[in-house]
Amino acid sequence: GENVEQHPSTLSVQEGDSAVIKCTYSDSASNYFPWYKQELGKRPQLIIDIRSNVGEKKDQRIAVTLNKTAKHFSLHITETQPEDSAVYFCAASKSSGYSTLTFGKGTMLLVSP
Amino acid sequence: GAGVSQSPSNKVTEKGKDVELRCDPISGHTALYWYRQRLGQGLEFLIYFQGNSAPDKSGLPSDRFSAERTGESVSTLTIQRTQQEDSAVYLCASSLVVGARSAAFFGQGTRLTVV
Repeated sequence: GENVEQHPSTLSVQEGDSAVIKCTYSDSASNYFPWYKQELGKRPQLIIDIRSNVGEKKDQRIAVTLNKTAKHFSLHITETQPEDSAVYFCAASKSSGYSTLTFGKGTMLLVSP
Repeated sequence: GAGVSQSPSNKVTEKGKDVELRCDPISGHTALYWYRQRLGQGLEFLIYFQGNSAPDKSGLPSDRFSAERTGESVSTLTIQRTQQEDSAVYLCASSLVVGARSAAFFGQGTRLTVV
């Protein structure tokens, strides 16, 4: 089955800095890669996703890049703000055959004012 | 409904009792997922449904755990003879279809405490 590794497990940045979270996956058939943000005590919320037919996707301060050859994808947050502080989870899935969402273990991002 | 709804939001039960957790997916969503999240931990996959069928039950921790889905809608996760290690938040998510063609959205979770 699919295995998703996520790094780092914790990340501390100053407000205004950029933050990068990286994930690798094992199943070359995976073709859908969402990112979720989970604030303390809240449900995971989808913030951005990318499909394997594109290499990069941006939404305001958030961007995701995908390298299919290397089987890794990354989340980039620019101009970080304290409200970006949360746990971020990456996930991988595929559209053929049996498929579920396999999550990384999460990255706790702390943005200090 | 407007979003994925789970009930109860909190459940405290005595060790050895059975509990039933409910998930109402977004209307029309055919795929439904159950995950477990222990305090400060990641999302542990339990089971997923495509329609009323569960193609993969390998994530269920033991035979005390079971789940069913009826009418391609509501799903229930049942834990029999609860143990303290079952204490966690149980999250349900649904998507229009399984996999890459559709994003998955989570419910608010059921926080289970076994005392």
